[in-house]
Amino acid sequence: DGGITQSPKYLFRKEGQNVTLSCEQNLNHDAMYWYRQDPGQGLRLIYYSQIVNDFQKGDIAEGYSVSREKKESFPLTVTSAQKNPTAFYLCASSLPSFGSGNTIYFGEGSWLTVV
Amino acid sequence: AQSVTQLGSHVSVSEGALVLLRCNYSSSVPPYLFWYVQYPNQGLQLLLKYTTGATLVKGINGFEAEFKKSETSFHLTKPSAHMSDAAEYFCAVTSSGGSYIPTFGRGTSLIVHP
Repeated sequence: DGGITQSPKYLFRKEGQNVTLSCEQNLNHDAMYWYRQDPGQGLRLIYYSQIVNDFQKGDIAEGYSVSREKKESFPLTVTSAQKNPTAFYLCASSLPSFGSGNTIYFGEGSWLTVV
Repeated sequence: AQSVTQLGSHVSVSEGALVLLRCNYSSSVPPYLFWYVQYPNQGLQLLLKYTTGATLVKGINGFEAEFKKSETSFHLTKPSAHMSDAAEYFCAVTSSGGSYIPTFGRGTSLIVHP
């Protein structure tokens, strides 16, 4: 079945450590996204990518980095510069709509906790 | 610029009662509007969307929403709530001719009492 796979589901980070969340999709979508979800704050965009080897900062990119070397993959690294990384992280993908209202599809999410 | 406001962070209904979740949007160009549902510890799933055409949109699980341009609203309704409807609901907007990146509301938690 086509879909978006995020791993791991649960991840623990120690202070000063970088961690990477994996996101893979087999929907043949060009656009991919990373959102952060905190209780009561909805979804906030971290980074997005429209094509391979290109990505743009979202609203809360500080302390995060991404790469887009393959169409299917869009890993997110949470760096030690992100001071409050405990959250639920959602990866998503879509056809790049450029105004046509295409649906964004989401993975199952990853929980990151600082210990 | 585009934005979404969901009125009420929590909505509580009895099983069998009408469900009404409110969403108002702001967009300088014609909007595309979405409702997503999120069950605990999971990703978001599309319930329904409005792009063009008929303003009353029917979605999965018996939900529907009506696009009202004059009121800049896209409220989500279901005639009869079921226990399985308990979840977080998000309204989102993108704009034709503008950014295709959706802006999400803060979410409304639907609580269904037996």
